[in-house]
Amino acid sequence: AQSVTQPDIHITVSEGASLELRCNYSYGATPYLFWYVQSPGQGLQLLLKYFSGDTLVQGIKGFEAEFKRSQSSFNLRKPSVHWSDAAEYFCAVGQAGTASKLTFGTGTRLQVTL
Amino acid sequence: NAGVTQTPKFQVLKTGQSMTLQCAQDMNHEYMSWYRQDPGMGLRLIHYSVGAGITDQGEVPNGYNVSRSTTEDFPLRLLSAAPSQTSVYFCASRRQGRTDTQYFGPGTRLTVL
Repeated sequence: AQSVTQPDIHITVSEGASLELRCNYSYGATPYLFWYVQSPGQGLQLLLKYFSGDTLVQGIKGFEAEFKRSQSSFNLRKPSVHWSDAAEYFCAVGQAGTASKLTFGTGTRLQVTL
Repeated sequence: NAGVTQTPKFQVLKTGQSMTLQCAQDMNHEYMSWYRQDPGMGLRLIHYSVGAGITDQGEVPNGYNVSRSTTEDFPLRLLSAAPSQTSVYFCASRRQGRTDTQYFGPGTRLTVL
């Protein structure tokens, strides 16, 4: 069975600092990988997704993620964090090679200090 | 387009009561899903549907029923609510292409006393 691990429950960074959120997955075949963001009291918004091809994926709001098969990782990065980036971030893998039945990690809550 | 809409936004039930969480989408998406979100556990798939008349179980289906009579609607039914079903429920939809994006509704916060 597939699984996703987000080892950091809570991260605090200063505004303007760089950010990296970790995600490790377990999946037998080529995974479909996603990063979603959830602001307080809101639904989930897709930041970016990886299906195949270039392992460095660009997303919305200045985020990017790199797929590393050898490390089973799909870490999310942003070079300069803004206060509005404070939210909870979820990594997910598509089950059975689809984008429909998603398995989510437990999330990382990002706090941004001014 | 309104996207994925869910009603109600908040609901409080007593143990044993029944209710239906509504989900609708106006994007003509074939796939629809229900997830629940619990603290420290991320989102878990309850039920999903690949089209009208077709539903299947996800990771945590017990205590929930679904049906899909139209493309637009995918209601989630709790026949006899239990405190363990206190959670935030999200509905999602997407096109049938293997790489299409899944869109989430705003969620329903359910408390069972």
